[in-house]
Amino acid sequence: DAGVTQSPTHLIKTRGQQVTLRCSPKSGHDTVSWYQQALGQGPQFIFQYYEEEERQRGNFPDRFSGHQFPNYSSELNVNALLLGDSALYLCASSLRTGLNQPQHFGDGTRLSIL
Amino acid sequence: AQTVTQSQPEMSVQEAETVTLSCTYDTSESDYYLFWYKQPPSRQMILVIRQEAYKQQNATENRFSVNFQKAAKSFSLKISDSQLGDAAMYFCAFPRWVSGTYKYIFGTGTRLKVLA
Repeated sequence: DAGVTQSPTHLIKTRGQQVTLRCSPKSGHDTVSWYQQALGQGPQFIFQYYEEEERQRGNFPDRFSGHQFPNYSSELNVNALLLGDSALYLCASSLRTGLNQPQHFGDGTRLSIL
Repeated sequence: AQTVTQSQPEMSVQEAETVTLSCTYDTSESDYYLFWYKQPPSRQMILVIRQEAYKQQNATENRFSVNFQKAAKSFSLKISDSQLGDAAMYFCAFPRWVSGTYKYIFGTGTRLKVLA
């Protein structure tokens, strides 16, 4: 049973560029959440997708956008990259229903902005 | 505002000893879950233990247990018989119900060092 998979593992970009990160949820999960984790910090919620729609959004600018596909996989897009966007980006999947269902996390994508 | 606070940036424990990591949270909800996640240097967040607010009994998973005090809004993690593999960042997490879905709020984490 495959868990949450993210690609790429590591990415280096320069300021002003655009980036797309990808996530495949754990088998059977229908909800995908994205988090930004700065070095030495806890994950910060970016947004959540369910039924191919953004359902909830954290305090992130519109440069951060996403998409969910019919197979529940998801993409995170960041435009006009800033140095401050350097972080570990985590994808987590879960079942929408069930408060007792924990989120399952991928290994993350380390994004470095030069 | 609903927040999660971990007041210990770093903790150390001798191998085979016991350590307790603290977490406090703030919520107006009455029924909820709380989670502890572990993040080793390999980066993947791994669920350690969960606690339902309505359950009187503290959750236990092998060497990991919680001390849940609902009135005080405290949710600490106790690790018994600490092992070198327990060294990691530990995050307390609270899934907040907002507009028909859950949004996870994480604390800032506690780095646990295990000394041989």
